Amino acid sequence: ETGVTQSPTHLIKTRGQQVTLRCSSQSGHNTVSWYQQALGQGPQFIFQYYREEENGRGNFPPRFSGLQFPNYSSELNVNALELDDSALYLCASSPAGGRYNEQFFGPGTRLTVL
Amino acid sequence: AQTVTQSQPEMSVQEAETVTLSCTYDTSESDYYLFWYKQPPSRQMILVIRQEAYKQQNATENRFSVNFQKAAKSFSLKISDSQLGDAAMYFCAYRGTIQGAQKLVFGQGTRLTINP
Repeated sequence: ETGVTQSPTHLIKTRGQQVTLRCSSQSGHNTVSWYQQALGQGPQFIFQYYREEENGRGNFPPRFSGLQFPNYSSELNVNALELDDSALYLCASSPAGGRYNEQFFGPGTRLTVL
Repeated sequence: AQTVTQSQPEMSVQEAETVTLSCTYDTSESDYYLFWYKQPPSRQMILVIRQEAYKQQNATENRFSVNFQKAAKSFSLKISDSQLGDAAMYFCAYRGTIQGAQKLVFGQGTRLTINP
């Protein structure tokens, strides 16, 4: 069984640019959540996708947007990058149904904004 | 809004000893889940143990156990017989709901060092 994968591993951008991060969910999982983890902090919930629709959003501005595809993989897009967007971006997938809806995390993408 | 607080930024323990990591949370919900995640330097968040709020019995997974005090909104993690591989950041997390999403709310983390 393949776990959650994310690409790229590292990324360096300059302020004002746009970035797309990708996530492949674990087999059998139809829900994907994205988190932002600033250095030395706990992860913060950005949004969640379920069956290709946004299913909830944290306190992030609209320049953070996402997509989920029919194969349940997902993208996180960030426009007009700011220095404070530098962080580790974590993707987590969870299975359809089930009591725990446990979230399985990928290894993350480290984004640096200069 | 739900919040999770970990008051110990760093902890250290001798190999083979026992260590307890603290976590408190705030919520108005009666049914929820609590988790401890481990994040080693490889960055991948790994689930250590989970607790369902309606269960009075504390969860146990091998060397890992929790002390869940629902009235006090406390959820501590005990690691017995600490091993070098236990060294990592540990995050306490609460699973709530927002607009139908089952988001995780994380604490600030505790960095655990194991001394050989």
